[in-house]
Amino acid sequence: DAMVIQNPRYQVTQFGKPVTLSCSQTLNHNVMYWYQQKSSQAPKLLFHYYDKDFNNEADTPDNFQSRRPNTSFCFLDIRSPGLGDAAMYLCATSRGGTEETQYFGPGTRLLVL
Amino acid sequence: GIQVEQSPPDLILQEGANSTLRCNFSDSVNNLQWFHQNPWGQLINLFYIPSGTKQNGRLSATTVATERYSLLYISSSQTTDSGVYFCAVEDYNTDKLIFGTGTRLQVFP
Repeated sequence: DAMVIQNPRYQVTQFGKPVTLSCSQTLNHNVMYWYQQKSSQAPKLLFHYYDKDFNNEADTPDNFQSRRPNTSFCFLDIRSPGLGDAAMYLCATSRGGTEETQYFGPGTRLLVL
Repeated sequence: GIQVEQSPPDLILQEGANSTLRCNFSDSVNNLQWFHQNPWGQLINLFYIPSGTKQNGRLSATTVATERYSLLYISSSQTTDSGVYFCAVEDYNTDKLIFGTGTRLQVFP
């Protein structure tokens, strides 16, 4: 009865080689989020979708893009990964609006060689 | 923007001990959540607690919104409680979740 699923759990890529991380949800939530978490730091919001409306954080690098083809799936594309992009990437969902709990997936740990 | 500070930053306990983790925030918030991040990186919801007190087994939490703090109590700690505890507040102005600095807990047998 997994609610927020992320694949793969571990991803190794080469410097500059595009990579896609995926997230799916069975909660039918309106909002999906992508966070980046580097070692010993708190998660940092990259962007979120409210339904099909895309909201980018001001300091999210252009190297990061996202797609949400339907309610259940959301993808994070890193066009040209650098060594500094090695991190845990967390997907979360919520119903939307204020005062709503966010539910997190298990994360994908990205290693850039 | 809103600032969220947690204390202590690190905590080492022996199994069976009790502990209190604190979260201070600098402005009005819509909600507050406590999470446990396990050693594999998963963030697990512990409490959704914009105000008041809640209990779940050995864990309980209290948020005093008017004084802008929340406390997480862990009683009779177990080694499986180890990990990082984050509080996160929903910014009143942006509806975004802002994470605190975290408390790293290590429980030894």
